[in-house]
Amino acid sequence: KNQVEQSPQSLIILEGKNCTLQCNYTVSPFSNLRWYKQDTGRGPVSLTIMTFSENTKSNGRYTATLDADTKQSSLHITASQLSDSASYICVVSRNTGGFKTIFGAGTRLFVKA
Amino acid sequence: DVKVTQSSRYLVKRTGEKVFLECVQDMDHENMFWYRQDPGLGLRLIYFSYDVKMKEKGDIPEGYSVSREKKERFSLILESASTNQTSMYLCASSRGGYTEAFFGQGTRLTVV
Repeated sequence: KNQVEQSPQSLIILEGKNCTLQCNYTVSPFSNLRWYKQDTGRGPVSLTIMTFSENTKSNGRYTATLDADTKQSSLHITASQLSDSASYICVVSRNTGGFKTIFGAGTRLFVKA
Repeated sequence: DVKVTQSSRYLVKRTGEKVFLECVQDMDHENMFWYRQDPGLGLRLIYFSYDVKMKEKGDIPEGYSVSREKKERFSLILESASTNQTSMYLCASSRGGYTEAFFGQGTRLTVV
């Protein structure tokens, strides 16, 4: 079954600290993996996208890694800011020639002052 | 900047009403999508469209229909709203293929 599982479900960290969010998937055949950030009451916004051959991609303080062999991805946030408080969603697309995209349930991150 | 605009941020409707959710994008994208988002379940695809007047069922199309008469506009229709359709509805658009999807701000629909 094609699934995307994220952990932890929620996370509370102090401002300035680093954190890492995990995404494990069983989607096959794999096409690409994306991380989205969703602020409360808003639509998701893309942070990174990685294909099979890419194992790391950065966007400012956000760094995503991908291990296609173990089917795991992580999103590392460096020097967290209050504005990083949001849900982070891992999305995996299948390479079937059609639109087969599976969303994870997301990790809710709270950054405290 | 790509802009995907949904007609309402919040909507309250009665059971049995016909509900229209409108979505407009300004980037000439071929693909448009409707998702619903529920706590703990992530986003689930309801319908998508890859061209004008073309539509395809997603994972949970039951109780919904869609309309795409113009390239920039994609409408989601709840034929007879039910309480289990209370949810956050998100519209998205993208160019062809597996390109980045841009999302609207969402419509929080409550059916009472």
